[in-house]
Amino acid sequence: KNEVEQSPQNLTAQEGEFITINCSYSVGISALHWLQQHPGGGIVSLFMLSSGKKKHGRLIATINIQEKHSSLHITASHPRDSAVYICAVNRGSQGNLIFGKGTKLSVKP
Amino acid sequence: EAGVTQSPTHLIKTRGQQATLRCSPISGHTSVYWYQQALGLGLQFLLWYDEGEERNRGNFPPRFSGRQFPNYSSELNVNALELEDSALYLCASSFRGSSADTQYFGPGTRLTVL
Repeated sequence: KNEVEQSPQNLTAQEGEFITINCSYSVGISALHWLQQHPGGGIVSLFMLSSGKKKHGRLIATINIQEKHSSLHITASHPRDSAVYICAVNRGSQGNLIFGKGTKLSVKP
Repeated sequence: EAGVTQSPTHLIKTRGQQATLRCSPISGHTSVYWYQQALGLGLQFLLWYDEGEERNRGNFPPRFSGRQFPNYSSELNVNALELEDSALYLCASSFRGSSADTQYFGPGTRLTVL
């Protein structure tokens, strides 16, 4: 079993829809990251969380440490949000990341 | 401020050869991470360097090695290349080696082994 699990694997939405991507982990962590990868490979860090909730524009990330679960929400989705969204964690005090397999999001106009 | 840079962008090698990939972190960052993204396998952690020392290593064979130079740039070497080493190799840097730091990713080197 992977230490970091994401769902769904693939997600297709219509422009304007509210989107939720889920991440569960099975190890002790010090931080959880949400990353965005566009076609071509470039990766951008969206959020780093150790507790609570963070918001940036139309993106919201939450984490529940007790339940070992995080969600990434996108409000008013847009075709430019189409990308792979990856959940990753720092295990304990380690600096390196452990990754989920990613969620491929496609937003149709 | 310049981001993380990687060279070369693409690299084509044949089985058994050696490949060298390079990474320059963001100025002021001391930690460099190497990750492999093979088709269909997702991102996997390879190596972590901080202040010139190897801090952690992923589940990869010893023919994957690297080093970090005094200016904090880093090199990943892959010896005795195998077909399954074909992948996108991503380098990331952070201010320190703390798990509280955001990692900034480079554009990657796409290695193709023929």
